[in-house]
Amino acid sequence: ETGVTQSPTHLIKTRGQQVTLRCSSQSGHNTVSWYQQALGQGPQFIFQYYREEENGRGNFPPRFSGLQFPNYSSELNVNALELDDSALYLCASSLGKGQAETQYFGPGTRLLVL
Amino acid sequence: QKEVEQNSGPLSVPEGAIASLNCTYSDRGSQSFFWYRQYSGKSPELIMSIYSNGDKEDGRFTAQLNKASQYVSLLIRDSQPSDSATYLCAVNPMDSSYKLIFGSGTRLLVRP
Repeated sequence: ETGVTQSPTHLIKTRGQQVTLRCSSQSGHNTVSWYQQALGQGPQFIFQYYREEENGRGNFPPRFSGLQFPNYSSELNVNALELDDSALYLCASSLGKGQAETQYFGPGTRLLVL
Repeated sequence: QKEVEQNSGPLSVPEGAIASLNCTYSDRGSQSFFWYRQYSGKSPELIMSIYSNGDKEDGRFTAQLNKASQYVSLLIRDSQPSDSATYLCAVNPMDSSYKLIFGSGTRLLVRP
């Protein structure tokens, strides 16, 4: 167990809807990163938050947005859901934003878009 | 060329054998390298991190890094059926240290 928690565990939505996924980081960790993992692929980086500010972003459209709160928990919001958004969404927490910081993953949220 | 490449497998080894998993990366400036294990339907779990050329051992696991060849490997000694999983190689690129770039993973099957 990494101490990183995510909710919900599973979610079914229809095309065009909006979804919010939540993540609580490991105690003492101030950085949260979000990844999308499609079936049979490795996780793809969406964005990272460090002390409530976005610290970097991958190649995802603006309809993917996020927040980090003062307690370092985080949300991932996806608007106008598309079928290809069906994936496992992973949150990872780390002690800082530096290059050598190890990222520890939560259990993930499995999203199915119909 | 993919940034991080792994053979998808499956790599099948008998119980007790050494499993060798390989990964190549394209960003020569990368400094940090990680191996994660992912069981079916679960999230990735960190096994090893390595930052310097050479070998790093932890129990039955040995990570090997060769920056000149842009190559990382993971050896699993005395493989057990419980080691059957997908192994993901991840690299921290120099110009965007905030993210990990993952390979697609190698599926390992340890036969009893």
